[in-house]
Amino acid sequence: KQEVTQIPAALSVPEGENLVLNCSFTDSAIYNLQWFRQDPGKGLTSLLLIQSSQREQTSGRLNASLDKSSGRSTLYIAASQPGDSATYLCAQHGSSNTGKLIFGQGTTLQVKP
Amino acid sequence: EPEVTQTPSHQVTQMGQEVILRCVPISNHLYFYWYRQILGQKVEFLVSFYNNEISEKSEIFDDQFSVERPDGSNFTLKIRSTKLEDSAMYFCASLVAETQYFGPGTRLLVL
Repeated sequence: KQEVTQIPAALSVPEGENLVLNCSFTDSAIYNLQWFRQDPGKGLTSLLLIQSSQREQTSGRLNASLDKSSGRSTLYIAASQPGDSATYLCAQHGSSNTGKLIFGQGTTLQVKP
Repeated sequence: EPEVTQTPSHQVTQMGQEVILRCVPISNHLYFYWYRQILGQKVEFLVSFYNNEISEKSEIFDDQFSVERPDGSNFTLKIRSTKLEDSAMYFCASLVAETQYFGPGTRLLVL
């Protein structure tokens, strides 16, 4: 059974700090991997898509990496801001690049001013 | 970013009643999905839909659930006889360039 795990479950950092969120997956035959942001009671906002042939993707202060051999992805947030406070979810494409997403449980980030 | 819309934003229903959740995917998208998130739990896949038919469904998606694309724009999820455990946030998503874009969700509360 394919599973996605995110550690830590929660993280609190002071404003300005660089941080790394971790995501691990059990299926090494991974297709694509997506990172999302979820604000409380809201929908999911897509942050980055890493295709299975790629090793990393960048968008602004965000950088996501993918290491299929170790079954890990990381989301690096540079110079964190209070507005970055949210839950960050990673999701693995389960059976194809058009197939279902398998989600981790998320890391809830709080950035303190 | 492209936008998926969902209605209603909130729905309260009595156990045993039928509910229909509506989604308007991004135009010209071909793949559509429903997911749900029970409070405090992971986002779970329900069903995917392509070319007017179900392409994959999870164990959760039993005979009480159905999906339909009644016209060229709407994509609906029907729960025939709701149970207490159906209370959750339901998300619709559509796919473009291998990225799934999610709607804001419908919060369903079954009493």
